[in-house]
Amino acid sequence: DAKTTQPPSMDCAEGRAANLPCNHSTISGNEYVYWYRQIHSQGPQYIIHGLKNNETNEMASLIITEDRKSSTLILPHATLRDTAVYYCIAGGATNKLIFGTGTLLAVQP
Amino acid sequence: NAGVTQTPKFQVLKTGQSMTLQCAQDMNHNSMYWYRQDPGMGLRLIYYSASEGTTDKGEVPNGYNVSRLNKREFSLRLESAAPSQTSVYFCASSEAGGTHEQYFGPGTRLTVT
Repeated sequence: DAKTTQPPSMDCAEGRAANLPCNHSTISGNEYVYWYRQIHSQGPQYIIHGLKNNETNEMASLIITEDRKSSTLILPHATLRDTAVYYCIAGGATNKLIFGTGTLLAVQP
Repeated sequence: NAGVTQTPKFQVLKTGQSMTLQCAQDMNHNSMYWYRQDPGMGLRLIYYSASEGTTDKGEVPNGYNVSRLNKREFSLRLESAAPSQTSVYFCASSEAGGTHEQYFGPGTRLTVT
């Protein structure tokens, strides 16, 4: 599975879009990009995943660069409840996910 | 629909004691997983079960055993607990064959003294 690099922390103002970057320059052609988040000490929550195309669901949008070496998770209107650690994971073709240390997103009032 | 449930929620063990962490899911998922999370760290995969009757090692399997009792239940056993196994343990499940969304339980907080 490919290694991912994320900033350790980010701030975002409430109501604004939160853009969380992820670098996965060694991703192979059949590996997906997944995003999960973990609020406080709860179990992680799935957000979105994609292979090549940009994806959108009710929680977020995922923008994957054409060369697939990086991606951005977009929370369009961040709220205080979106404060969490966000994990970008590349791989998982066998349903095995390798979590890194993620980005702590702090949404400020 | 309870999703993924784990018992117990908290446990304190002495070094050398054994215990079994229980996990059950009611979503008819084929695959189940056990992770551990140490303070300030991401989750690390201990064992997983792609389908009923099969189990495989993850990143950190040493010191643990698992049993896929049936499609619903996947247990994790510590035969001789060590302080290094102090952690939060999460169980997860997912459909097999193309669905990548894993559903996580609330975790078991284990302290080994």
